[in-house]
Amino acid sequence: GQNIDQPTEMTATEGAIVQINCTYQTSGFNGLFWYQQHAGEAPTFLSYNVLDGLEEKGRFSSFLSRSKGYSYLLLKELQMKDSASYLCAVKEAGTALIFGKGTTLSVSS
Amino acid sequence: DARVTQTPRHKVTEMGQEVTMRCQPILGHNTVFWYRQTMMQGLELLAYFRNRAPLDDSGMPKDRFSAEMPDATLATLKIQPSEPRDSAVYFCASGPNLAGGADTQYFGPGTRLTVL
Repeated sequence: GQNIDQPTEMTATEGAIVQINCTYQTSGFNGLFWYQQHAGEAPTFLSYNVLDGLEEKGRFSSFLSRSKGYSYLLLKELQMKDSASYLCAVKEAGTALIFGKGTTLSVSS
Repeated sequence: DARVTQTPRHKVTEMGQEVTMRCQPILGHNTVFWYRQTMMQGLELLAYFRNRAPLDDSGMPKDRFSAEMPDATLATLKIQPSEPRDSAVYFCASGPNLAGGADTQYFGPGTRLTVL
């Protein structure tokens, strides 16, 4: 089975940079996803990594190290609207995504 | 703007009643997923389908839950009989099942179920 760990909560201030870590244990790794979920809403896709390295998309970047079973989501120039839960999810070959329990990020002014 | 739709958005029922939740995946997507989300457990996979065939429903309590895809435009999740511990938000998601595993899932708005 899979084991996905990420911090439960994080806080940061507007304009800052925050890094949300995710570690996982799996077999047959076939990609890692990050989703954003605002309170009371559905998760929405942020990023996908299958190869080692950094994927940048605007203010958000995601990093993967397959050998270490480690990923992080980097959020720059934080805004109040970035307050949300961030879900790390891992895909094994032939299976559906398995989600971590999420990291609740609170951004204050 | 293609979206996954779910009905109903909210459902309050009494213990023992049957609950049916419906999902319309994005047209052209051939994978459909049902998840349950609670504060304690987070987002749990209940079942998923590819080309309408069930591939994995190991996360679903078989004695009371059932999931089907009568056709490519409709997925259903039924609970019979419902229990208070079933209270949660149930999400449906669909995906294009792209080659190479980049199986991005697009979530519906969810059904918030409360069983009294």
